Amino acid sequence: SQQGEEDPQALSIQEGENATMNCSYKTSINNLQWYRQNSGRGLVHLILIRSNEREKHSGRLRVTLDTSKKSSSLLITASRAADTASYFCATMNYGGSQGNLIFGKGTKLSVKP
Amino acid sequence: DTGVSQDPRHKITKRGQNVTFRCDPISEHNRLYWYRQTLGQGPEFLTYFQNEAQLEKSRLLSDRFSAERPKGSFSTLEIQRTEQGDSAMYLCASSPGLVAFFGQGTRLTVV
Repeated sequence: SQQGEEDPQALSIQEGENATMNCSYKTSINNLQWYRQNSGRGLVHLILIRSNEREKHSGRLRVTLDTSKKSSSLLITASRAADTASYFCATMNYGGSQGNLIFGKGTKLSVKP
Repeated sequence: DTGVSQDPRHKITKRGQNVTFRCDPISEHNRLYWYRQTLGQGPEFLTYFQNEAQLEKSRLLSDRFSAERPKGSFSTLEIQRTEQGDSAMYLCASSPGLVAFFGQGTRLTVV
């Protein structure tokens, strides 16, 4: 099962530009996380934002969370060719399945040199 | 600590055969997840362990799929009577709490 829906499905930008991708989800969450997957490599955690937080920064990454709209956005500033990857949001829920981590379908980002 | 290890990395099997995959989590991580991922899609949740207890199973995990985590250490995922639709990357992740650390996956091809 998948909860998150990323938008857009694919994004192509030039090096140096900013990239924004969005995630919408359906149920109440404990936290929301973003992961990156490079071609041929495993998934790597990027950043986590808790349900009581609205914005978080990590290096060139900025994540926002709007629990009233059940949505999150990931902004990558000053993109580099090495940022080319698929990006997934993942939600961890409250309730009976606490601790379960459900992924969206991802945004495929291509950064052209 | 070498991270999450999965074995084998690749498996080709004939339809109808049984296969078993192994996942060795990062030591002392009490949570362990199994996911399935097909090309162009996100990881689909299969099952989740807290120590040795299997807390949740996806409806995707039909009665042909079973997972174990004896003694809360390594885990195995078995698929019985494989079908071509089972061809996918099977990912294992472990977590000390909130963040998941993934292995490189086992790519299954059913011919």
